[in-house]
Formats: sequence, C-alpha cells, structure tokens
Amino acid sequence: EIVLTQSPGTLSLSPGERATLSCRASQSVSSSYLAWYQQKPGQAPRLLIYGASSRATGIPDRFSGSGSGTDFTLTISRLEPEDFAVYYCQQYGSSPLLTFGGGTKVEIK
Amino acid sequence: QLQLQESGPGLVKPSETLSLTCTVSGGSISSSSYYWGWIRQPPGKGLEWIGSIYYSGSTYYNPSLKSRVTISVDTSKNQFSLKLSSVTAADTAVYYCARRGVYSPLDYWGQGTLVTVSS
Repeated sequence: EIVLTQSPGTLSLSPGERATLSCRASQSVSSSYLAWYQQKPGQAPRLLIYGASSRATGIPDRFSGSGSGTDFTLTISRLEPEDFAVYYCQQYGSSPLLTFGGGTKVEIK
Repeated sequence: QLQLQESGPGLVKPSETLSLTCTVSGGSISSSSYYWGWIRQPPGKGLEWIGSIYYSGSTYYNPSLKSRVTISVDTSKNQFSLKLSSVTAADTAVYYCARRGVYSPLDYWGQGTLVTVSS
C-alpha cells in the first residue's frame, strides 16, 4: 500500500500570495497517477489535477501540478479568496486500491 | 451530466450494519471500464477510501475495513450499495459515493451523507 504524506498540515497565506503544497509517496507512483482535490466546508472534494500535472475541466490556470516518482507539488500561483480550502493528494492507477494524503489546509493569514 | 446521490439512514446503532445506496443518473452504471466506489470522512478529518466495485462486478476493499465491508451493484436500478457491519462510533462520518475510470481519478462525486453511530 502506498502511503501519501502531505506537508505542511496548514499553510497561512494572504490573497495574492503563492501557495506550494507537497505530497510525498512511500514508494514510486506509477506513471504519475497522482491527483489533487480541493475540498471546501460542507462540500464534496473537487478534482483539480490528474496525471500529476494535467488540469481537470474548468480548473483555472493558476493551479498547477508537478512532480514524479515519490515527490509531487501543487502550486497555486496567486491565491484568490475562493482558494482557501483543504487540498488532498491521491494516488490511483492500475491498482483499484486508492489512498489519500492527510490533507493541507490553506487558510487566510 | 452524470450525477450521484447517496441515501440511507443518518443514524445507526453500535454493532449494527450501516447500509447506504448511491443512485446514478445521467449515465449507466454498466458502462465499461468504470469503478464505482465509496469514500468516507470522519468529522474534521481526512478522506478514507472504503472500496469499489468494477463494472464487471469485481470488488476491491480497503484492507483495514475488508472484513466488515460489502459493496454490491443493482444494474436494474442503476444503483450501487455499501454495507458496513459491526459499526462503532469510529464509523461516524460523511460517506461519499464516487466514480473513476481505469487509470483515472475520481471525477464524479455525490454530495455526501452524514451517518452517525450512536445508541
């Protein structure tokens, strides 16, 4: 089972600042089958990034993903007020078993 | 537009079986190459994958829950279901149903339903 560790647990930033979120896997994630989700209070998670770096439909280009192997990053270039939320990474792929990271909360400083 | 909707009791007694159904609309649950799954989130905590059922009927479960989980599908009703037995307070969570394709992430989610385990 692949364990995903996200850091930091909480990121305190101001609107307009750049956010950098990390997701580290306990073993290599095959073919970069890594996704990022955004979750706001009372809502289901929303897919942001898949394949480590591809934006899902309708996701603004201020969101970008990068990385491969065991180290992945989600970057929000300039935080908008609606971006303050919790972000989860998740690995998927040929195995039907899924795992999520513990999440990073991006809060207003 | 595909939509998923969870339904079931919001309150379950300890030691009993939690049962939820996910109704799929806007698409067929029998479509090839999709997994239909359940994810839960305890209050204030992160996401935990419970298990999935493939369109062929094969099931896959989180090893930590495997002994208590059953996921099944009813193609005639375009629904799939979750049963979690011998529940305790630790099973209190928002339960989501979701879809993913092979080599694809979870792209469609239900809105979630809160299930509380309490006597």
